[in-house]
Amino acid sequence: AQSVTQLDSHVSVSEGTPVLLRCNYSSSYSPSLFWYVQHPNKGLQLLLKYTSAATLVKGINGFEAEFKKSETSFHLTKPSAHMSDAAEYFCVVSFSGGYQKVTFGTGTKLQVIP
Amino acid sequence: DVKVTQSSRYLVKRTGEKVFLECVQDMDHENMFWYRQDPGLGLRLIYFSYDVKMKEKGDIPEGYSVSREKKERFSLILESASTNQTSMYLCASSFPRNKSYEQYFGPGTRLTVT
Repeated sequence: AQSVTQLDSHVSVSEGTPVLLRCNYSSSYSPSLFWYVQHPNKGLQLLLKYTSAATLVKGINGFEAEFKKSETSFHLTKPSAHMSDAAEYFCVVSFSGGYQKVTFGTGTKLQVIP
Repeated sequence: DVKVTQSSRYLVKRTGEKVFLECVQDMDHENMFWYRQDPGLGLRLIYFSYDVKMKEKGDIPEGYSVSREKKERFSLILESASTNQTSMYLCASSFPRNKSYEQYFGPGTRLTVT
């Protein structure tokens, strides 16, 4: 069975300070891992993905995430928050199994304070 | 760019009504998915389809059915809407031969059942 845990339901940062959104996963197989972003009243947009290539993955809008197998983590970071980063972020895990099942985390709402 | 469209952004229905939510994708993807999104629960899979006329139950199929008569179109049906089906409904599609299993999302339909 696979699962994903987003450790914080809400994160608040000041504009210009670093962002850290935490995600831990469990998977019996080699996982693929994703971060999606959802702005208010919009669908989900892919930020970045890990698929067993480089462990440090760079995404759009200056975000990046590092796959750490020993810690079963895939935390999302950004050096400097912008007001437009305020949104909900979802960590997602899937595996190379028989069918394409993905499991979503419960989401982290990021607030950026001016 | 992949485009996934949903027939309505907002929908208000009465208890007991039959409700159809339509989703269309334009990238010839085999896989299509219906999720519902509720605060604090993330996205939960209702049904998915990996080919025309094929469907599989997800984690919360009760009270829902689906139809996939054409490859590009995947419909979610609420046979008799109830107030606990008030939610945001998201459709997604993916290309199974893309082993990263990245999903592309529509903008969502916010359904209110009164």
